Amino acid sequence: EPEVTQTPSHQVTQMGQEVILRCVPISNHLYFYWYRQILGQKVEFLVSFYNNEISEKSEIFDDQFSVERPDGSNFTLKIRSTKLEDSAMYFCASSENYPGANVLTFGAGSRLTVL
Amino acid sequence: KQEVTQIPAALSVPEGENLVLNCSFTDSAIYNLQWFRQDPGKGLTSLLLIQSSQREQTSGRLNASLDKSSGRSTLYIAASQPGDSATYLCAVTQGGSEKLVFGKGTKLTVNP
Repeated sequence: EPEVTQTPSHQVTQMGQEVILRCVPISNHLYFYWYRQILGQKVEFLVSFYNNEISEKSEIFDDQFSVERPDGSNFTLKIRSTKLEDSAMYFCASSENYPGANVLTFGAGSRLTVL
Repeated sequence: KQEVTQIPAALSVPEGENLVLNCSFTDSAIYNLQWFRQDPGKGLTSLLLIQSSQREQTSGRLNASLDKSSGRSTLYIAASQPGDSATYLCAVTQGGSEKLVFGKGTKLTVNP
């Protein structure tokens, strides 16, 4: 069964450092997403990406965050200058069609620890 | 602003028992509702997707119902097994938005 693949599975970084989380969505999917889950809290939407541009973003997704699909297969989330409160599990997801019509397939997540 | 609440937060049952997990949402103008399963340290697996026009969906031992007007959904698990132990998340989408709004989940433990 097709999978969404995320790397790294766990990253530890110092506050203020840049972090790039990588995702390989399912090949025929057109919509891509990042969500995050702070330990013990709800899964929260960060951003959606379609047709090589951001289609929707949350208030969490401020100027320190950016997304890119550099080569047609990878989908990346960059955090420019990490803060302690960025420590969370980050999930990438993709869907074949508009999320109202299709289920989202999630990756296993990348755990980010900011020290 | 849409809020999704799941009750109970945790549930422990003996193997073989039928059980119901509850989800409520504050804004009934949803586009669809999904139930997910989350295993410790892993991603989310979609279990069932109910469109706003539907009343229920079934997959194997799972049955999800939706009462949009009252802002409620239930996930019924029949003949529970230890392998069903996981956290179950409910999430909704609304018209005009691509994002899923999640509840905090119900942590289910099925004891052998």
